Amino acid sequence: DVVMTQSPLSLPVTLGQPASISCRSSQSLVHSNGNIYLNWFQQRPGQSPRRLIYRVSNRDSGVPDRFSGSGSDTDFTLKISRVEAEDVGVYYCMQGTHSPHTFGQGTKLEIK
Amino acid sequence: QVQLQESGPGLVKPSETLSLTCAVSGDSISSISWWTWVRQPPGKGLEWIGEIWHAGNTNYNPSLKSRVTMSLDKSKNQFSLNLSSVTAADTAVYYCARDTSGWRENDYWGQGTLVTVSP
Repeated sequence: DVVMTQSPLSLPVTLGQPASISCRSSQSLVHSNGNIYLNWFQQRPGQSPRRLIYRVSNRDSGVPDRFSGSGSDTDFTLKISRVEAEDVGVYYCMQGTHSPHTFGQGTKLEIK
Repeated sequence: QVQLQESGPGLVKPSETLSLTCAVSGDSISSISWWTWVRQPPGKGLEWIGEIWHAGNTNYNPSLKSRVTMSLDKSKNQFSLNLSSVTAADTAVYYCARDTSGWRENDYWGQGTLVTVSP
């Protein structure tokens, strides 16, 4: 299985400041069709997960543009340009290139 | 507006089979989609259980493969998960979802249902 490793696991951030989460995969996430199925999910307290970013850098509908994704091959990053109170929760990277799809351990974002 | 809703017993005895259904509204189960199950043990992270293609093809997590079966019920516009020989380690919130892998824009998730395995 592809192992997804996130860092940091805990991320205290001041409101209005930027935040960044790293995700590394144990093998290349380039699919045979050339796409990279690296996705980012947000899980607010008590809620179901929802995807923010698909295929590395594409925002899903309704996702604020303060969220952005980047990366290639095995190294990926989720950035929040200015953290807001509603961003509190756990963030997961997930690869959908190889079966089984696998998630990172999760990064808990909290407000300082 | 696509909506998914899980249903099934909240308590299952060890060694028995966990059976959950996901009712879909706002979309057809026959539309080109991957219908997915993900679980989350209390206080822990997310685990991908598997997915079923609208045409019936399946991909299962090898860690559960011998115990998992997924199916579609097109007459009821729902899909199902069966997990056999459950143990306490299978206690989790189970989510159904559509298209989580990133092959296209927009995923949809159910609210999740807690299943506890206990005598």
